[in-house]
Amino acid sequence: SAVISQKPSRDICQRGTSLTIQCQVDSQVTMMFWYRQQPGQSLTLIATANQGSEATYESGFVIDKFPISRPNLTFSTLTVSNMSPEDSSIYLCSVGDGAYEQYFGPGTRLTVT
Amino acid sequence: GENVEQHPSTLSVQEGDSAVIKCTYSDSASNYFPWYKQELGKGPQLIIDIRSNVGEKKDQRIAVTLNKTAKHFSLHITETQPEDSAVYFCAASITGYQKVTFGTGTKLQVIP
Repeated sequence: SAVISQKPSRDICQRGTSLTIQCQVDSQVTMMFWYRQQPGQSLTLIATANQGSEATYESGFVIDKFPISRPNLTFSTLTVSNMSPEDSSIYLCSVGDGAYEQYFGPGTRLTVT
Repeated sequence: GENVEQHPSTLSVQEGDSAVIKCTYSDSASNYFPWYKQELGKGPQLIIDIRSNVGEKKDQRIAVTLNKTAKHFSLHITETQPEDSAVYFCAASITGYQKVTFGTGTKLQVIP
């Protein structure tokens, strides 16, 4: 399976600021996804990162708050904009490898104060 | 949209015993059912999956069963070990390329 890395692994940010999270894969993949995992909760899909076109957002998530870039088949970024304490979560990228399987990166642990 | 329910939310077993986690789903179009293990401070790890054309799949101490008619699937871990302690998530999707909907998670504790 693909090896996925995320930067930063964790961060503590001030309210009102923005943080950009990077996701790097060691091989070209068709599909990349961004998830949020609030403390002690399950995973919720934020958006599908499409290479060469705008991301596809799930209900409840908007581009102004979570802009996503996918410049090529191995890299994507998620920005959490104008942060509030409610944005404190683990942010995970995943990749579609093959027809069905999705594999996850280690996550970025964000705390907003 | 798809809704996945998972039970129990917590499960404690003695080392060597079996553990069973059960999930139900709502969308009859779902045909791919992965299971993930998440250890503290790590991302979810895909441990086993099953597709709708298969009723059961085994991989060493782990097995999954699927009942499409009843829309439920289960994870069975035999001969549990302390390193099996983690949070386990079931999930469902039409294909992996489409939205994967996760269950609420089961925190498994294996007591030595």
